[in-house]
Amino acid sequence: QSALTQPRSVSGSPGQSVTISCTGTTSDVGGYNYVSWYQQHPGKAPKVMIYDVIKRPSGVPDRFSGSKSGNTASLTISGLQAEDEADYYCCSYEGSYTWVFGGGTKLTVL
Amino acid sequence: EVQLVESGGGLVQTGGSLRLSCEASGLTFRDYWMHWVRQAPGKGLVWVSRINSDGSSTSYADSVKGRFTISRDNAKNTLYLQMNSLRAEDTAVYFCATDSKYTILLWGQGTLVTVSS
Repeated sequence: QSALTQPRSVSGSPGQSVTISCTGTTSDVGGYNYVSWYQQHPGKAPKVMIYDVIKRPSGVPDRFSGSKSGNTASLTISGLQAEDEADYYCCSYEGSYTWVFGGGTKLTVL
Repeated sequence: EVQLVESGGGLVQTGGSLRLSCEASGLTFRDYWMHWVRQAPGKGLVWVSRINSDGSSTSYADSVKGRFTISRDNAKNTLYLQMNSLRAEDTAVYFCATDSKYTILLWGQGTLVTVSS
């Protein structure tokens, strides 16, 4: 149950694109297509932005997209907006009805 | 509108116990697996526990196994987390959340648990 590895911070200017990586192992990210991404603003509850690696819940802008290659999943945010500034967490199912989160990435919109 | 409202947090001494509750509305509670996830002050999210729809199957993070017990009362639309032998490192905001096919989906606002000597 080791945390997935995310960069501590990323940044971009309005209108640009940023990608946040999430690296695990064959026991979690690489082994299942149950990777999700959450956005969390300060003092607020997390909100799911991507699930099942690539799916977007209704209401989430299509500027948010997910992908996976091997043991690394990625969240890409295109056309950055000021309101995208938040913490982002990945999460993966790791079998035996257990889940693991990444350490979180702080996104700064310059 | 789906709502999950946690309660029961507070200040407790090291070694003490606390029971958290999460009342659900706006959904057919008995159809959903449920999770507890925690977040220590200034830190990241950590998965704690999960329970299936009828309460017959539970799972825990290694860090809480043997000390925490997840349960539910579908008649009351309520999820619980009994926390025993609390340690300083259990200090966190505890969120309850629904599950949808292995995705932790909808989250409550959380309740703060502070463990202090």
